[in-house]
Amino acid sequence: EIVMTQSPATLSVSPGERATLSCRASQSVSSNLAWYQQKPGQAPRLLIYGASTRATGIPARFSGSGSGTEFTLTISSLQSEDFAVYYCQQYNNWPLFGQGTKLEIK
Amino acid sequence: QVQLVQSGAEVKKPGASVKVSCKASGYTFTSYGISWVRQAPGQGLEWMGWISAYNGNTNYAQKLQGRVTMTTDTSTSTAYMELRSLRSDDTAVYYCARVWDILTGYSHFDYWGQGTLVTVSS
Repeated sequence: EIVMTQSPATLSVSPGERATLSCRASQSVSSNLAWYQQKPGQAPRLLIYGASTRATGIPARFSGSGSGTEFTLTISSLQSEDFAVYYCQQYNNWPLFGQGTKLEIK
Repeated sequence: QVQLVQSGAEVKKPGASVKVSCKASGYTFTSYGISWVRQAPGQGLEWMGWISAYNGNTNYAQKLQGRVTMTTDTSTSTAYMELRSLRSDDTAVYYCARVWDILTGYSHFDYWGQGTLVTVSS
C-alpha cells in the first residue's frame, strides 16, 4: 500500500517570499500526482495535476515538479491569499492524499 | 460553468444511514466520473470511492466496503453516496468531486462540490 508523506507539517513564510512544499510517495506513482489548496470552510481547489501542469485559472506563481517518488510544489512569491493548507494526491492507482502542509504567515 | 451542488447538512443517530446527493451541471455528466471524499473535523482528506457516470462501475475504499454505496441518476445528472451503520467517527464533511477518468477512476479531481456536513450523535 502506498503511503504519501508531506513535509513540513507547518511552514511559516513571509509574504513575497518563496515557499517550497514536499510530497514523498513510498513507491513510484510516475507523474500521477496532484496538488490542492484548501482554505478554512472551503472545498479543496485543484492547483496542479500530472505533477507539473497547472489547472485552469491557477496563477503562474504556482509550479509543480518531480516524478516517481519525490514531488515539490513551489509558490514563487507568496500572496496573502496563498496562506492555506496544501494536499498532494497520488492517482497512479486508487487515490490517496498526503496529510497536508499548513502554510502560515511568518 | 461546471458546478456540483450537494444536499444539505444532516444529523443522524449511530446505526442510521445517510444519503448525500451531488447534482452536476455545466458539462456532459456521462463523460466523467464522480468520487466522494470526506474530511473529519480538523483532519485531512480521505478518499471514499468512485463511480463512473458512463457505465456505473464503482470502486470503494477498503475500510468502507460493505457500508457505502454510490449510485448515479443520469436522467438528472445526480450522483448519490449512501453510508450505512453510521458511527461517531463518520462525522465529517462529505465532498463529491469530478473525475476525468471514466474507466478506472485513477485521476485527479478538477471540480468539487461545496461539501455536506454529516453529524453522527446520539
